[in-house]
Amino acid sequence: GAGVSQSPSNKVTEKGKDVELRCDPISGHTALYWYRQSLGQGLEFLIYFQGNSAPDKSGLPSDRFSAERTGGSVSTLTIQRTQQEDSAVYLCASSLLGGPNYGYTFGSGTRLTVV
Amino acid sequence: AQSVTQPDIHITVSEGASLELRCNYSYGATPYLFWYVQSPGQGLQLLLKYFSGDTLVQGIKGFEAEFKRSQSSFNLRKPSVHWSDAAEYFCAVGAFSGNTGKLIFGQGTTLQVKP
Repeated sequence: GAGVSQSPSNKVTEKGKDVELRCDPISGHTALYWYRQSLGQGLEFLIYFQGNSAPDKSGLPSDRFSAERTGGSVSTLTIQRTQQEDSAVYLCASSLLGGPNYGYTFGSGTRLTVV
Repeated sequence: AQSVTQPDIHITVSEGASLELRCNYSYGATPYLFWYVQSPGQGLQLLLKYFSGDTLVQGIKGFEAEFKRSQSSFNLRKPSVHWSDAAEYFCAVGAFSGNTGKLIFGQGTTLQVKP
């Protein structure tokens, strides 16, 4: 597609429920990133994919968080047993190859609210 | 550890006045530095980046930034601010080594423009 698409744009869920957030990167982009932006905070790195593998998962805050990428394209971020502190905007970005000479394109994010 | 600090959480300037947003980084190797802007409800847009060479880099929308290695700084400047520049600005350093290609962001500076 023309840009990075994220769905849903907004999600309200009850505490304890599982949620899935989807990212559809730019076609042909091998690198994909998930970030979390909490109110008043900067962007916190969560996970980096190169193709279908995730060489850097260091930012996932707990084992309730997981992500996968299939076919080198769409990625899903899953949060199990959501907590109120998970409320944030989750941003996805993709890059042609992921190195410093390639730009990053960010999606508009999914705003997650846990009530 | 790699980190980015934006000392000013919120800045207000009058339209037509000059602007400087501060950014300090901590990174062991030669840094790859970025400035992004995020307008309300929008994804992040790249303003400019520094990889090497001339330490004064020009970006879009009339912005420029100067890399000062001795001060570990990469401050963003604009000579004359427009009302449309009101947004949140993020400084980031690229951690491109080993198995990662992530950006490490500062906490952001919110710019308000007075008429």
